[in-house]
Amino acid sequence: AQKITQTQPGMFVQEKEAVTLDCTYDTSDQSYGLFWYKQPSSGEMIFLIYQGSYDEQNATEGRYSLNFQKARKSANLVISASQLGDSAMYFCAINSGGSNYKLTFGKGTLLTVNP
Amino acid sequence: GAVVSQHPSRVICKSGTSVKIECRSLDFQATTMFWYRQFPKKSLMLMATSNEGSKATYEQGVEKDKFLINHASLTLSTLTVTSAHPEDSSFYICSASGGPAYNEQFFGPGTRLTVL
Repeated sequence: AQKITQTQPGMFVQEKEAVTLDCTYDTSDQSYGLFWYKQPSSGEMIFLIYQGSYDEQNATEGRYSLNFQKARKSANLVISASQLGDSAMYFCAINSGGSNYKLTFGKGTLLTVNP
Repeated sequence: GAVVSQHPSRVICKSGTSVKIECRSLDFQATTMFWYRQFPKKSLMLMATSNEGSKATYEQGVEKDKFLINHASLTLSTLTVTSAHPEDSSFYICSASGGPAYNEQFFGPGTRLTVL
């Protein structure tokens, strides 16, 4: 079984500052993928960034970067230069071939960006 | 990018009626579709996995006779909530894989079901 732990129910950040959202995972599979999704109040799930377990470099997508520490089983999301539109729920998720690519989600972190 | 649509986006129905939700992959063939349920301020809970042309695989605790899933083609999966009751009110989201990245799932915009 796979598990995602997000220990921050809520986070606050000032506009233009950087923020780190924590995610730790547990899996018995050697090959797996880690995902971050953003869910605004409208409900749609917006894909942000992906990290494969064999990727040696940390993934980056624009203002999003993933701090992947395999030995610690952590995959923290870093959002740089926060914008008001970044206020949303953020979910970390994992899947693998061993789970038939079913995504297992964490409980999420509600990010609020203050002006 | 891969686009997944859901219809309807919002539905209100009376208790005892059945509701069908459609999930379509618009620009790729979805070999696998997933159905999730999300309660307010909670995470997504996987209900079932459906592969085109075969029976859906339901997660533990999900009633297969209550939530009927059909994946008749590579671009369409449907979830029917049979004899809906107020406790079935929730946000239902589908996702599809088989797009450009084999292990990536592309999510639909969700359907908000309210059962009166």
